[in-house]
Amino acid sequence: EVQLVQSGAEARKPGESLKISCKASGYSFISHWVGWVRQMAGKDLEWMGVIYPGDSETRYSPSFQGRVTISADKSTSTVYLQWSGLKASDSAMYYCVKGSSGQHATWFNPWGQGTLVTVTS
Amino acid sequence: QSALTQPASVSGSPGQSITISCTGTKNDIGGYNFVSWYQQHPGKAPKLLIYDVSDRPSGISYHFSGSKSGNTASLTISALRAGDEADYYCSSYTNNKTVVFGGGTKVTVL
Repeated sequence: EVQLVQSGAEARKPGESLKISCKASGYSFISHWVGWVRQMAGKDLEWMGVIYPGDSETRYSPSFQGRVTISADKSTSTVYLQWSGLKASDSAMYYCVKGSSGQHATWFNPWGQGTLVTVTS
Repeated sequence: QSALTQPASVSGSPGQSITISCTGTKNDIGGYNFVSWYQQHPGKAPKLLIYDVSDRPSGISYHFSGSKSGNTASLTISALRAGDEADYYCSSYTNNKTVVFGGGTKVTVL
């Protein structure tokens, strides 16, 4: 069974750093894109970016480029999303998603359970 | 890049069919057959319903179907049932090698 298990909820202050994780299992980790999707409270889905663990190619939405870093550890089949200077506006639910294989990540299945990030002073 | 345009809400009675539209540009929907649709129930993670415009993943009911014409994609839910009440999002691959989502459509079963 394909599974994406995300790390637990986090609370931070503005300006702090944070790294959340997503551990994949049940499929060939290096052969499928893995990405992150943000959903602010009561709002729609926002695609943040993806990584191809096989060669670490990374693609970001222009809205998130430079604000977050996506990385992968092939030895543990884990993908990370990190911030170096959180803002209150980063408060949201973050979903890890397994993308399609091949040259492009065009659809996402399954989705992780979500990690709630709260940034408040 | 702008989000794809979906109607905010669509409603229908049990047993009816409804269609949700998703409008983009030639740089996303119009340029690729890489449209997908997701269903999200309150408090749950989204679930893939349709990929590559009209393909269904294993385990997804036949009463969900997808299509595309020009820059607009559509999701049709036939034989609407109470359990279909949820938010629905479209997405498309873009010419920037990224993916963009629609603003979401709330489906209400009357």
